[in-house]
Amino acid sequence: DTGVSQNPRHKITKRGQNVTFRCDPISEHNRLYWYRQTLGQGPEFLTYFQNEAQLEKSRLLSDRFSAERPKGSFSTLEIQRTEQGDSAMYLCASSLGPTGETFGSGTRLTVV
Amino acid sequence: KQEVTQIPAALSVPEGENLVLNCSFTDSAIYNLQWFRQDPGKGLTSLLLIQSSQREQTSGRLNASLDKSSGRSTLYIAASQPGDSATYLCAVREENTDKLIFGTGTRLQVFP
Repeated sequence: DTGVSQNPRHKITKRGQNVTFRCDPISEHNRLYWYRQTLGQGPEFLTYFQNEAQLEKSRLLSDRFSAERPKGSFSTLEIQRTEQGDSAMYLCASSLGPTGETFGSGTRLTVV
Repeated sequence: KQEVTQIPAALSVPEGENLVLNCSFTDSAIYNLQWFRQDPGKGLTSLLLIQSSQREQTSGRLNASLDKSSGRSTLYIAASQPGDSATYLCAVREENTDKLIFGTGTRLQVFP
């Protein structure tokens, strides 16, 4: 296992389109996190799963955002009707237990 | 609401210097504090994790201290090298939550 894998690495989309990102965590990790990072800022928490259960969602996660983790394995983050303000790096992390997250390399979204 | 601040925002030093990066947080009810490194366009690499009951952690040329009561942490880098050039992020995990709250980072450049 080579760590947390995120796909795609880069995504350019037109405003109003839907996009979906995928995160494959380290196989034995039961916790999976999504963060968003805009230029010059630190990552901001979006949501968190323990196995397949989504346990916490940030107020940053508007109705246009949805995340799933079917069967407690990989996770997807979908953004509907993208806006220019959604342009950011979307980071996924996983952990076994409540600490020691391993982060993926992220998906960079550009909305034009 | 927890806020994490990092000073300085950017730092440029010649190779060989010893450095101190600062992190402060507003609510001392934290579970742990982590220092991460982020290279441009990449994900995060965990450097050091300090539990709330600990005062410091060391790894190679890195030493991180934690003063929970005053809401401060420092990352000390000894004998800096050009390969240390990156953004350094501080993050706290509050008690009773599983999310990390990040500062905005210190962008470090070490020139030969």
